[in-house]
Amino acid sequence: GDSVTQMEGPVTLSEEAFLTINCTYTATGYPSLFWYVQYPGEGLQLLLKATKADDKGSNKGFEATYRKETTSFHLEKGSVQVSDSAVYFCALSESNKLIFGTGTLLAVQP
Amino acid sequence: TAGITQAPTSQILAAGRSMTLRCTQDMRHNAMYWYRQDLGLGLRLIHYSNTAGTTGKGEVPDGYSVSRANTDDFPLTLASAVPSQTSVYFCASSCVDEQFFGPGTRLTVL
Repeated sequence: GDSVTQMEGPVTLSEEAFLTINCTYTATGYPSLFWYVQYPGEGLQLLLKATKADDKGSNKGFEATYRKETTSFHLEKGSVQVSDSAVYFCALSESNKLIFGTGTLLAVQP
Repeated sequence: TAGITQAPTSQILAAGRSMTLRCTQDMRHNAMYWYRQDLGLGLRLIHYSNTAGTTGKGEVPDGYSVSRANTDDFPLTLASAVPSQTSVYFCASSCVDEQFFGPGTRLTVL
């Protein structure tokens, strides 16, 4: 079945550092891809999405490009802030349901 | 707009007891979902409902049941709780392919 693999954390960065969180997927079809963010004590919020190959999703300075050739959807941000500290989940859609990766904890230190 | 509400916020439950986790949305979304979140495992789908009157099993349905009598409500019932059901439970609803999550219920089964 379809699956999502993302890099294990925690990822610890200093403020203004560059962020990459890797995500790869396995799918039989052409799913939409998502990044969700979970701030401490809260539910998940959609961060960005891409619905087809070569689409770039972006929001709040975060970007991810749907790469069909490498089956990847890596999350990047050029300059992280302390307020970006959270757990980030990569996900794909399958038959109106989401399949999530295990999540990556990001800790940004001032 | 409230979005999705869940109750209770947290609960400690004795093994063998039953409990219903409540979920209500005010966005008139057709599809709703229940996930459990466990450290290192990400979010796993328990049950879902594509529209009022229908339900389906997700990845980890055993020990849980759901009903969908109307569009707004999607309760999750544990008939006889076991310690392995200790988890954080999230309800979600979806519009097209974006899912919106509630704040979660933290359940501890002793």
